[in-house]
Amino acid sequence: EVQLVQSGGGLVKLGGSLRLSCTASTFPLSPFGMTWVRQAPGKGLEWVSSISSSGRYIFYADSVKGRFTISRDDAKDSLYLQMNSLRAGDTAVYFCARVLQVDPLIPFFYYYMDVWGKGTTVTVSS
Amino acid sequence: IVMTQTPLSLSVTPGQPASISCKSSQSLLRSDGKTYFYWYLQKPGQSPQLLIYEVSNRFSGVPDRFSGSGSGTDFTLKISRVEAEDVGVYYCMQTIQLPLTFGGGTKVEIK
Repeated sequence: EVQLVQSGGGLVKLGGSLRLSCTASTFPLSPFGMTWVRQAPGKGLEWVSSISSSGRYIFYADSVKGRFTISRDDAKDSLYLQMNSLRAGDTAVYFCARVLQVDPLIPFFYYYMDVWGKGTTVTVSS
Repeated sequence: IVMTQTPLSLSVTPGQPASISCKSSQSLLRSDGKTYFYWYLQKPGQSPQLLIYEVSNRFSGVPDRFSGSGSGTDFTLKISRVEAEDVGVYYCMQTIQLPLTFGGGTKVEIK
């Protein structure tokens, strides 16, 4: 079964930091772009950040720009999200998802997210 | 790009059809002729799963009772005969412009 295994969530204080991990356990991560999507309690889906297969292209939502850093280590088949200066509004379930860039001439983020992790919960408290 | 879904919720008798609408604030048609619009379903307690890509293409393993249509800024997801396993929240999504954005979701429940 194709799957992404997530870890790293937890309870953190306002202004604190946390690093989320997402590991491809049954396929190599390297061919795929990757995306983080979050879901606040009882709310809808919100795109957070995306990284291309090469790691060269990285994008962030304005709400996290300057505070969050997406990265990847293809040798470990792992994706990361370093979250700093956490706010109450960052409380959410964070999902990682893979993106297959079919055409290299089309930006990778145009393509769909076909495999998702189960999510990891981040709670920011005062 | 703002994605607006209607209705917010839907209660459907098993075997009956259902329809969900999604409107985008800008056209999702790119110069390559493709429209970068998707439907996802998030079943209770699960992560989202892809249903439809590029408006009308069913993803692998998606039953043929699901169909997508539309163009430009107006899109529709139809379920020809709703089954109990179809309950959850349906989201539309655009990827033609950053930030990637989702609709607010449509909750489908069984009567």
